[in-house]
Amino acid sequence: QKEVEQNSGPLSVPEGAIASLNCTYSDRVSQSFFWYRQYSGKSPELIMSIYSNGDKEDGRFTAQLNKASQYVSLLIRDSQPSDSATYLCAVTTGFQKLVFGTGTRLLVSP
Amino acid sequence: GAVVSQHPSRVICKSGTSVKIECRSLDFQATTMFWYRQFPKQSLMLMATSNEGSKATYEQGVEKDKFLINHASLTLSTLTVTSAHPEDSSFYICSARVGTGGSYNEQFFGPGTRLTVL
Repeated sequence: QKEVEQNSGPLSVPEGAIASLNCTYSDRVSQSFFWYRQYSGKSPELIMSIYSNGDKEDGRFTAQLNKASQYVSLLIRDSQPSDSATYLCAVTTGFQKLVFGTGTRLLVSP
Repeated sequence: GAVVSQHPSRVICKSGTSVKIECRSLDFQATTMFWYRQFPKQSLMLMATSNEGSKATYEQGVEKDKFLINHASLTLSTLTVTSAHPEDSSFYICSARVGTGGSYNEQFFGPGTRLTVL
């Protein structure tokens, strides 16, 4: 079982819709959870971090964490074509390192 | 967020040569930096953790004699790919951990270096 799992997609949504990205992780001791956005040929950009159960909102982005289910998600409201990218879920290990999922490719059509 | 730079952004070299990649934290001091490698359509794989003033910690399967890491100051870490071969061609990305307390594990990435070995 992979440590961090994501659906590779692509996830296609129309402009203005809500995009929902999901991630599960296997290590129960993980304490920190991150969403990174990566455009093709570029390095990852941190867009959200979440450390406790529940929701965390930042502009059009909402991260949701459920440690009991070992599940973290990212919602993007009012999706824009510029949101089209690969979204990487990352989770810390017990050794304070980040483990990345393989990413979900999001396509927002005008 | 914190700004991390990398140089060069792209390098093409012949097989057998060595390539040095620099990673700098521009507006903060980074006691810990990380080096990742990403192959096409794959996720980031951690190669090593670079700690200022001490030896780097390499992940399993990463040859420390081939990928030399030096973290001589709080703002600079270097990765040297020695005797590069075509299979070393990849996208190399560094990151720095800047937070304290609850945000301790946030990492900010440099723009990456695309290495092509002919």
